[in-house]
Amino acid sequence: DQQVKQNSPSLSVQEGRISILNCDYTNSMFDYFLWYKKYPAEGPTFLISISSIKDKNEDGRFTVFLNKSAKHLSLHIVPSQPGDSAVYFCAASARGTSYGKLTFGQGTILTVHP
Amino acid sequence: DVKVTQSSRYLVKRTGEKVFLECVQDMDHENMFWYRQDPGLGLRLIYFSYDVKMKEKGDIPEGYSVSREKKERFSLILESASTNQTSMYLCASSILQGARQETQYFGPGTRLLVL
Repeated sequence: DQQVKQNSPSLSVQEGRISILNCDYTNSMFDYFLWYKKYPAEGPTFLISISSIKDKNEDGRFTVFLNKSAKHLSLHIVPSQPGDSAVYFCAASARGTSYGKLTFGQGTILTVHP
Repeated sequence: DVKVTQSSRYLVKRTGEKVFLECVQDMDHENMFWYRQDPGLGLRLIYFSYDVKMKEKGDIPEGYSVSREKKERFSLILESASTNQTSMYLCASSILQGARQETQYFGPGTRLLVL
């Protein structure tokens, strides 16, 4: 039962253009969402998060949008840079979850071409 | 700066061997986690610990056990390694931030090959 789904295994974008990574979830108890970025041979690093009380959160080139009614979130990277090429995971936390348990999606491989 | 270290980057073991994966964090975090990452499956939680000697099963605990004797150290044990445990293993820790503890900090991972 995949409660967090990233349906696009990969995305290819030209440098300077926008990258949009999508994530869908099924558990209505999820109320906090995070994006992590992972380079090969390294652990994931935290990128940006959003609480369910908001519909948008911005940090520099990265913006996360949350559509609660559709149970959908997306990460926008503008402008995309070759150094953004990595695997991106979305993750979610459920209301009332103790100890910070996260449920991760399958990941999307982003390739930004120079 | 948070640092999470894992004892090995690469390991090759034989079927049936007992395997220990060690993880150490240096920021006094309460929570520690073990995940495995497989292509197309993302990160799946094996076990986590919220205090010394306390542990809870994650989504895929079968074939694994854990130990947390000290706050900074969390060990994953494969009692009898099997080929389907070939994977990338990631350790993480998290800090209490107000009422939420979600931001997890990851180690570099251990790529385990079981022959």
